[in-house]
Amino acid sequence: AQSVTQPDIHITVSEGASLELRCNYSYGATPYLFWYVQSPGQGLQLLLKYFSGDTLVQGIKGFEAEFKRSQSSFNLRKPSVHWSDAAEYFCAVENSGYALNFGKGTSLLVTP
Amino acid sequence: NAGVTQTPKFQVLKTGQSMTLQCAQDMNHEYMSWYRQDPGMGLRLIHYSVGAGITDQGEVPNGYNVSRSTTEDFPLRLLSAAPSQTSVYFCASSYVSGDTEAFFGQGTRLTVV
Repeated sequence: AQSVTQPDIHITVSEGASLELRCNYSYGATPYLFWYVQSPGQGLQLLLKYFSGDTLVQGIKGFEAEFKRSQSSFNLRKPSVHWSDAAEYFCAVENSGYALNFGKGTSLLVTP
Repeated sequence: NAGVTQTPKFQVLKTGQSMTLQCAQDMNHEYMSWYRQDPGMGLRLIHYSVGAGITDQGEVPNGYNVSRSTTEDFPLRLLSAAPSQTSVYFCASSYVSGDTEAFFGQGTRLTVV
């Protein structure tokens, strides 16, 4: 069955440090891949997406992600984290029928 | 451009009551869907629609009904609310094509007591 795994439930990083959030998927073909961010009490905002082509994709707020077919991964990265990046991050895979299959999320805490 | 609008933002229901969560989009998207978000569970698909008059079940459809009479609106009905339906509900919409993205509403926080 198709699934999306975010291995880290919580991550804590210091402000200014680099960040990598992991996402692995299980799917037969190359799926469409997304990263969303959710601030407390808010809806979901799209950070970036991968459909095809260049496997390193740039998103908003200085985020990037790299699609690695051999590892079935789509990890999210940021070189220098800001306090405002504290939020919950969701990796998602587009299912057949256009529905999104979400991971369970990673909660990011940024310390001074 | 309002995007995806959900109403109400907050709701408290008693067990057994019914209600309708409203979702409207003004982007002429064919595809609309409802998710529920529970702590540690991510977002799970309840129902979806690929166009007016067409709906289908997602991962967790029990206890919920939907209809799609217009392109713009996709209401979610709770027929007899249960405490297990306490959750945050999100509506999303997108074009029905391969390389598109979903737009989400701000969510409805529902508590069933």
